[in-house]
Amino acid sequence: KAGVTQTPRYLIKTRGQQVTLSCSPISGHRSVSWYQQTPGQGLQFLFEYFSETQRNKGNFPGRFSGRQFSNSRSEMNVSTLELGDSALYLCASSVDATGVDTQYFGPGTRLTVL
Amino acid sequence: TQLLEQSPQFLSIQEGENLTVYCNSSSVFSSLQWYRQEPGEGPVLLVTVVTGGEVKKLKRLTFQFGDARKDSSLHITAAQPGDTGLYLCATRGETSGSRLTFGEGTQLTVNP
Repeated sequence: KAGVTQTPRYLIKTRGQQVTLSCSPISGHRSVSWYQQTPGQGLQFLFEYFSETQRNKGNFPGRFSGRQFSNSRSEMNVSTLELGDSALYLCASSVDATGVDTQYFGPGTRLTVL
Repeated sequence: TQLLEQSPQFLSIQEGENLTVYCNSSSVFSSLQWYRQEPGEGPVLLVTVVTGGEVKKLKRLTFQFGDARKDSSLHITAAQPGDTGLYLCATRGETSGSRLTFGEGTQLTVNP
């Protein structure tokens, strides 16, 4: 079974631009979570989607948004990029959102904001 | 949000040495997970501990969950270069769903 895939793997943007990252979960997984990883803050939860609905949201500004499609694929969008948004963005999928299932992480998208 | 403290932050050892990494919180964990992340990859789940006092072994890795469920440790015996990576502890929040709160991580380097 294929793992979690994220595209693109690397991205370079400039301040003020917007970016869309994509995540394809493992087949059959309905829950997708997004995390931001930086050297200073570590791994921080952004949001979680289950059956096209946002179930949980972390403490990030409204510039960070996401959505999930009927096939469970998810996208996250960051508008008006800031230098501090440079990070590794990870998505993780699990079978459902009960909280007991194992989460499987993708390799991440490395975003650099210049 | 439950805060997790990991120590040490960095660890560089020689092949064959033993090491222990710690994860602590001022609050009780409902459960605790340990992950390993290698460069260019996402974290991979190593183990989940649920019961206070629980000990789990995964080859040369031994995971302990404190009796009071406020701390956990990861011990590696006879470390190998392949053990190099970022070790993260994580716990699920009180809300439903898959949200994980991570510690800052321990960057382990095992030199041949």
